[in-house]
Amino acid sequence: QLVLTQSPSASASLGASVKLTCTLSSGHSSYAIAWHQQQPEKGPRYLMKLNSDGSHTKGDGIPDRFSGSSSGAERYLTISSLQSEDEADYYCQTWGTGIRVFGGGTKLTVL
Amino acid sequence: EVQLVESGGGLVQPGGSLRLSCAASGFTVSSNYMSWVRQAPGKGLEWVSVIYSGGSTYYADSVKGRFTISRDNSKNTLYLQMNSLRAEDTAVYYCAREYDYWGQGTLVTVSS
Repeated sequence: QLVLTQSPSASASLGASVKLTCTLSSGHSSYAIAWHQQQPEKGPRYLMKLNSDGSHTKGDGIPDRFSGSSSGAERYLTISSLQSEDEADYYCQTWGTGIRVFGGGTKLTVL
Repeated sequence: EVQLVESGGGLVQPGGSLRLSCAASGFTVSSNYMSWVRQAPGKGLEWVSVIYSGGSTYYADSVKGRFTISRDNSKNTLYLQMNSLRAEDTAVYYCAREYDYWGQGTLVTVSS
């Protein structure tokens, strides 16, 4: 079964860096994912598509502070030089034939 | 510029029906995979349905048999026909071009 697992919450200080993790279920470690950001009271926004080899394609206007990486079944989103507007929910998403799956989301608090 | 604008949400009684629309601009709906995703109040994102460029359609188990995804190529618009609505279908419904553009969402409330 295709499942994505995310930690419910994370926090980091203004100006610091944070690394969020999305874990693919067993047998699905080769899958690409997408990262999406949802700021409070807003709709989701696409950040990037992240492949199993760590290569990624960012959405229009996404700052260089956002980057992605991969290791085995883990997919990471790193945000550097944290700003107050980065405080948001972050969702990973993956897909297979006839199915799409979202992780439960990570709520990032910027201290 | 790619834009997706949903409409058609509202208050409906349990067992009722509603049709959501998603008007697209800046790209061709029929050439892309298009999804509906919903978010219940205070909850995470839940995939609802997808239509492939070739026309194949797929649904989450929670809506299978009740919801139908379709598109009108002449209007460049995506639809979601929702029948036999339940309280647990209450959510903001988003359309999305897989996986890189999202609409602003439309609220569906199922309540008596």
